Amino acid sequence: DVKVTQSSRYLVKRTGEKVFLECVQDMDHENMFWYRQDPGLGLRLIYFSYDVKMKEKGDIPEGYSVSREKKERFSLILESASTNQTSMYLCASSLKRRELFFGSGTQLSVL
Amino acid sequence: EDQVTQSPEALRLQEGESSSLNCSYTVSGLRGLFWYRQDPGKGPEFLFTLYSAGEEKEKERLKATLTKKESFLHITAPKPEDSATYLCAVQASTNKLIFGTGTLLAVQP
Repeated sequence: DVKVTQSSRYLVKRTGEKVFLECVQDMDHENMFWYRQDPGLGLRLIYFSYDVKMKEKGDIPEGYSVSREKKERFSLILESASTNQTSMYLCASSLKRRELFFGSGTQLSVL
Repeated sequence: EDQVTQSPEALRLQEGESSSLNCSYTVSGLRGLFWYRQDPGKGPEFLFTLYSAGEEKEKERLKATLTKKESFLHITAPKPEDSATYLCAVQASTNKLIFGTGTLLAVQP
């Protein structure tokens, strides 16, 4: 079974803090994704990566950056957290642009 | 504009009462349609992929079907453990994945 592991289930941060969300997958998938999920808005793509050291902006990249130094690890960075970034963050991976496999999510609260 | 609409937003069923969830879409060049199940506080769990009109997939009490404009997720004789949010996503020819906002299903014993 594919396993996508997100480092934290719950996270509380202060406005202005730099926040790192880590994601690791164990199935050698080349594609990795970061989404945020908000009630009534569904899943929105923040950034994605089709290979190591590659990154592409999704639909809502503003205020975020990513890092993919190794194939199995994809990190999401909030440079200066703001209250409107309070959300559920979901990491996913896929093989050859097929179905996504998601992690359990990180519920981030920015106070 | 590529769009995915799921209906109803919420559905309450009695245990054993069969029903269907709908996912209608407009997309330039369908490459695939995906169904996911999401439990509260967890990430979506992959259920099915459908690639072409007329295709059907089954898993336990769930059956997904696809036409050129919509997909249905049929739930036969549901049990309380089927309660979850069901998400539909469509992959366009650009490989972009568009998610619907989901149907929240509650099955009462």
